Amino acid sequence: GAGVSQSPSNKVTEKGKDVELRCDPISGHTALYWYRQRLGQGLEFLIYFQGNSAPDKSGLPSDRFSAERTGESVSTLTIQRTQQEDSAVYLCASSYRTSRNNEQFFGPGTRLTVL
Amino acid sequence: GDSVTQMEGPVTLSEEAFLTINCTYTATGYPSLFWYVQYPGEGLQLLLKATKADDKGSNKGFEATYRKETTSFHLEKGSVQVSDSAVYFCALSPPGGGADGLTFGKGTHLIIQP
Repeated sequence: GAGVSQSPSNKVTEKGKDVELRCDPISGHTALYWYRQRLGQGLEFLIYFQGNSAPDKSGLPSDRFSAERTGESVSTLTIQRTQQEDSAVYLCASSYRTSRNNEQFFGPGTRLTVL
Repeated sequence: GDSVTQMEGPVTLSEEAFLTINCTYTATGYPSLFWYVQYPGEGLQLLLKATKADDKGSNKGFEATYRKETTSFHLEKGSVQVSDSAVYFCALSPPGGGADGLTFGKGTHLIIQP
């Protein structure tokens, strides 16, 4: 079956512009996660959704970042007034539920470059 | 907070060599432990996992044993192949479940030369 998909695969934007990143999880997966991977760094957890709700948004780097999920499917991560330090690969993952034993399936990521 | 430390790369080996990639963690309680692999141009894939102390995860010839006493989860393979060239990430999931996401190490770039 189809895996997690993300779009766009690459995004180049100018400093100060807004960007929207999209994630389509595996059908039936109720949990969805966003991570950020800066060059040479590990993955940094940003936010997770259980269904449509995000119980904890404290992992988002700043108030310029927001995320939403509709219909227990598609999620969008929006970055307003982008800065150069936002340049990274943004990864989305989904899992069947938020059990510690459940595997998270990752998408290919969106590489964001802020000029 | 939770953290994962893994050896810095790149690690360069010849084909058929023995591989060890070290991973140690800091966490409260008994987390689940994972190794993920990222092949060139592809997304992260789960390689293996272990959910309790002394469990051994294994897949594709790779193994890792959950060592509570040393808080380690070292990845090993007896004979590596060129196709094993990838970036390997050690990660943990806290005892409470996935609500906090996975905590990842910085990744180890493995290069296997023919």
